[in-house]
Amino acid sequence: DADVTQTPRNRITKTGKRIMLECSQTKGHDRMYWYRQDPGLGLRLIYYSFDVKDINKGEISDGYSVSRQAQAKFSLSLESAIPNQTALYFCATSDLKSGVQETQYFGPGTRLLVL
Amino acid sequence: QKEVEQNSGPLSVPEGAIASLNCTYSDRVSQSFFWYRQYSGKSPELIMSIYSNGDKEDGRFTAQLNKASQYVSLLIRDSQPSDSATYLCAVNEEASYDKVIFGPGTSLSVIP
Repeated sequence: DADVTQTPRNRITKTGKRIMLECSQTKGHDRMYWYRQDPGLGLRLIYYSFDVKDINKGEISDGYSVSRQAQAKFSLSLESAIPNQTALYFCATSDLKSGVQETQYFGPGTRLLVL
Repeated sequence: QKEVEQNSGPLSVPEGAIASLNCTYSDRVSQSFFWYRQYSGKSPELIMSIYSNGDKEDGRFTAQLNKASQYVSLLIRDSQPSDSATYLCAVNEEASYDKVIFGPGTSLSVIP
């Protein structure tokens, strides 16, 4: 089984709809992240969480919200979807050892299309 | 805003050649550097991490770090068609040990 899973894998929605993307991990990591990827722009950080009680905005958090329901679960919501939120969304987890950022492990991605 | 820059490519090399991928970063005090490989439509996966100046080798891959010049590179020896992918450079933001900044990626094509 995959260490980081995302649901759904693909989603088509209409402008103005609220949708939720879910992420679960079995790696036991405290740190979880949501990124979006657009062609030519690389990965941009939306939100990240150090633990259940800690949520932080990334560089492009406007129009998004998150919920860290448990150490293993981190959900991303689009309150009112708009077409320029069409993108590939990745969840990731990581660990911090001896003060050093370790590698990030990515889920398979959710491809979102907003019409 | 801290930045990580890469040539977008595409970079084309013949099979068996050395592919050289470069990355520059703006945060002088960054400490952790990563190279990820991403196949089309797939998620990024770690190729190499490097934390100290100099070279780090792992099989056909060598990461090179020069903190004074603020660049990190990835060399792929004996390139194979299966190496054709986008390579993402990532650098931690020193102000927050828990965040990394990704470059836009370099597309590599290895021609048989």
